[in-house]
Amino acid sequence: DGGITQSPKYLFRKEGQNVTLSCEQNLNHDAMYWYRQDPGQGLRLIYYSQIVNDFQKGDIAEGYSVSREKKESFPLTVTSAQKNPTAFYLCASSIVGNYGYTFGSGTRLTVV
Amino acid sequence: GIQVEQSPPDLILQEGANSTLRCNFSDSVNNLQWFHQNPWGQLINLFYIPSGTKQNGRLSATTVATERYSLLYISSSQTTDSGVYFCAVDFNSGGSNYKLTFGKGTLLTVNP
Repeated sequence: DGGITQSPKYLFRKEGQNVTLSCEQNLNHDAMYWYRQDPGQGLRLIYYSQIVNDFQKGDIAEGYSVSREKKESFPLTVTSAQKNPTAFYLCASSIVGNYGYTFGSGTRLTVV
Repeated sequence: GIQVEQSPPDLILQEGANSTLRCNFSDSVNNLQWFHQNPWGQLINLFYIPSGTKQNGRLSATTVATERYSLLYISSSQTTDSGVYFCAVDFNSGGSNYKLTFGKGTLLTVNP
């Protein structure tokens, strides 16, 4: 079945460490997105990519980095520069020019 | 700035009751979607509805684009309807990217 796989489901990180969240899709979607969700809040866009080897900053990109070397993969690195990284991270994909937004099941990151 | 406001923020229902969730947006939109996030964090797309009315089983949605609001109707609610309902819009006019701006959501609790 087609879908989006995020891993790991739970992640613990020590302060000062970088950590990479995985997002893989087999839907053949062109666009991929990373969102951050804090308790009681909506989703906020971190980065998005419409095609391979290209990506744009969203509303809250500071302290994060991404790459898009393959159409299927869009990993997110939470760097030590991100001051408040504890959150729920959601990856999504869509057909550019269409509406087929599909979300992964999320990664819950906790800084300890 | 661009805003998406949802009301009410919280709603508690008895099983079998009907409800209406509202989404107001501050500018014209190309794309409006409703999502349901279950208690485990998974988001599912319910409707793509930049204008008009759509129905899917017990759920229906109406968007009045000229008046900048959308309504989600849930009839004969069930406990499985519990979760957070998000409205998300794309304010980009005619562009090829479809990054969405999310409201803060309505937390729905359906009691048996």
